[in-house]
Amino acid sequence: AAGVIQSPRHLIKEKRETATLKCYPIPRHDTVYWYQQGPGQDPQFLISFYEKMQSDKGSIPDRFSAQQFSDYHSELNMSSLELGDSALYFCASSPGAGNEQFFGPGTRLTVL
Amino acid sequence: KNEVEQSPQNLTAQEGEFITINCSYSVGISALHWLQQHPGGGIVSLFMLSSGKKKHGRLIATINIQEKHSSLHITASHPRDSAVYICAVVMDSNYQLIWGAGTKLIIKP
Repeated sequence: AAGVIQSPRHLIKEKRETATLKCYPIPRHDTVYWYQQGPGQDPQFLISFYEKMQSDKGSIPDRFSAQQFSDYHSELNMSSLELGDSALYFCASSPGAGNEQFFGPGTRLTVL
Repeated sequence: KNEVEQSPQNLTAQEGEFITINCSYSVGISALHWLQQHPGGGIVSLFMLSSGKKKHGRLIATINIQEKHSSLHITASHPRDSAVYICAVVMDSNYQLIWGAGTKLIIKP
């Protein structure tokens, strides 16, 4: 069965650079969630989208933005990267808000 | 006080033992997830519960909505079950996931 796909799986950037993380949800899933998990920390909710519209916003820095496209894939754009942005970024998808979330493998971002 | 509390934080057991991980929460929820995270980070959804009990292979999850408590049980534990098990609740107000701190389980052969 198709799962949530995230790309890239690993990314190394320098401070002040930009990064774009991509998430491809399970087919027919219209809701996408982004989470950030710092080293040794719980995942923190960043932002979610339902039917290509932002549905909820968590602890997402102003330097980050995200959107969901017509094919339901989502991109998380991160600018002016800081060392503290080094984390595992998870995307999850679900068939509608509030339903079971299925997680992607994550993108490990390292900022040097 | 955290909205989602898990216990124990760490658990080491011998292969074959019956494992129980507990989760208590203090917010209104529409459902509760049990998730498994292996070293390297990938997260796998084990169960999503809104009431009662679910079973999948050697894993059993129960939830008591009135008591705001859920348990994850592993029967006949195996070293490959070693992972971090996370309880996460779906808030009924906005469908956000609130995560527990996780239980690190090590099963020794």
